[in-house]
Amino acid sequence: DQQVKQNSPSLSVQEGRISILNCDYTNSMFDYFLWYKKYPAEGPTFLISISSIKDKNEDGRFTVFLNKSAKHLSLHIVPSQPGDSAVYFCAASACVGGTSYGKLTFGQGTILTVHP
Amino acid sequence: DAGVIQSPRHEVTEMGQEVTLRCKPISGHNSLFWYRQTMMRGLELLIYFNNNVPIDDSGMPEDRFSAKMPNASFSTLKIQPSEPRDSAVYFCASSFQTSSPSYEQYFGPGTRLTVT
Repeated sequence: DQQVKQNSPSLSVQEGRISILNCDYTNSMFDYFLWYKKYPAEGPTFLISISSIKDKNEDGRFTVFLNKSAKHLSLHIVPSQPGDSAVYFCAASACVGGTSYGKLTFGQGTILTVHP
Repeated sequence: DAGVIQSPRHEVTEMGQEVTLRCKPISGHNSLFWYRQTMMRGLELLIYFNNNVPIDDSGMPEDRFSAKMPNASFSTLKIQPSEPRDSAVYFCASSFQTSSPSYEQYFGPGTRLTVT
């Protein structure tokens, strides 16, 4: 049972354009969402996050949007750069009973390729 | 500062052999997570510890898998006996949890396991 889904295995974008990566979730208890970026032969690194009390969070070229009613979030990268080419993972967490220990549920990942 | 350290980086073994993966979390972090990455399922959480105590091992696929955290600076993931379907990249991650959960996890570079 995949509680966090990234339905697009890959995305190809031209440099300078917008990249939009999508993520859907099924668990209504999720209250915190993160995006991680992963380069080959490295571990994932934290990129940006959003709490369920917000619908948008921005950090430089990266913006995450959350639509709780649709159980959907997206990551926008504007403008896209060749160095953004990586695998992007969506992750979610649920603080159940006041305790989560920071447990994250990850999606399958989307491979982003930004062409010069 | 040293990040999360994993060893070995690559492991090739024959079916039926015992495999031990090692992880040293970031100093001061009190939560440790073991993940497995495959193309089909993305990043799967296998087990996680808080203050050296296993909290949730429901992601461990079979009894062939076991994990220990004897102290705050070391953890092992053991597979005995190993099977070809265990071939994957195994990541260790750590974080610092207080009464308010911190969801940002820091990942090691991973161990690529190949079982022939």
